[in-house]
Amino acid sequence: KAGVTQTPRYLIKTRGQQVTLSCSPISGHRSVSWYQQTPGQGLQFLFEYFSETQRNKGNFPGRFSGRQFSNSRSEMNVSTLELGDSALYLCASSLSPGTGLYEQYFGPGTRLTVT
Amino acid sequence: AQTVTQSQPEMSVQEAETVTLSCTYDTSENNYYLFWYKQPPSRQMILVIRQEAYKQQNATENRFSVNFQKAAKSFSLKISDSQLGDTAMYFCAFMKLNTGTASKLTFGTGTRLQVTL
Repeated sequence: KAGVTQTPRYLIKTRGQQVTLSCSPISGHRSVSWYQQTPGQGLQFLFEYFSETQRNKGNFPGRFSGRQFSNSRSEMNVSTLELGDSALYLCASSLSPGTGLYEQYFGPGTRLTVT
Repeated sequence: AQTVTQSQPEMSVQEAETVTLSCTYDTSENNYYLFWYKQPPSRQMILVIRQEAYKQQNATENRFSVNFQKAAKSFSLKISDSQLGDTAMYFCAFMKLNTGTASKLTFGTGTRLQVTL
């Protein structure tokens, strides 16, 4: 079974631009979560989607948004990029809530550099 | 809010030896999961082991085992017969279970483990 895939793997953007990152979960997984990893702040939760609905949201500004499609694939968008948005963005998938199997499996991440 | 603390920023162990990584957490919840993830230089986050809070028995996965002390809110990871491939950053993570549904992971700051010859 294929793992979580994220595209693109690397991205360089300029301040003020916007960016869209994509995540395809493991087949059969319907919950997708996004995390930001930086040297200063560590791993921080961005948001979680299940059944095309955002169920949880972390403490990030409104410039960070996401969505989930009917095939469980998810995208996150960051508008008006700032230098501080440079980070590794990790996507994780898990089975449907309520299954008793809560492990999250991570993709390889998208390394975003804002210049 | 939950917090996860890993007090050992870096550790080193010789190949074939045993090492224990520490993790403590703070929560008022009674229903939760704990995880250890490893992140090698490739940056791929890999699930190592999980522990359900309601289970008294410590989880074991091959060379990896945990010492879960619920009252003390401690969750340490023991790696036996360390291998060079175990070199990685190890993260302890907490997940609150909310009415039977999954929730977010709260991570510690990580412990960088170096396995040497």
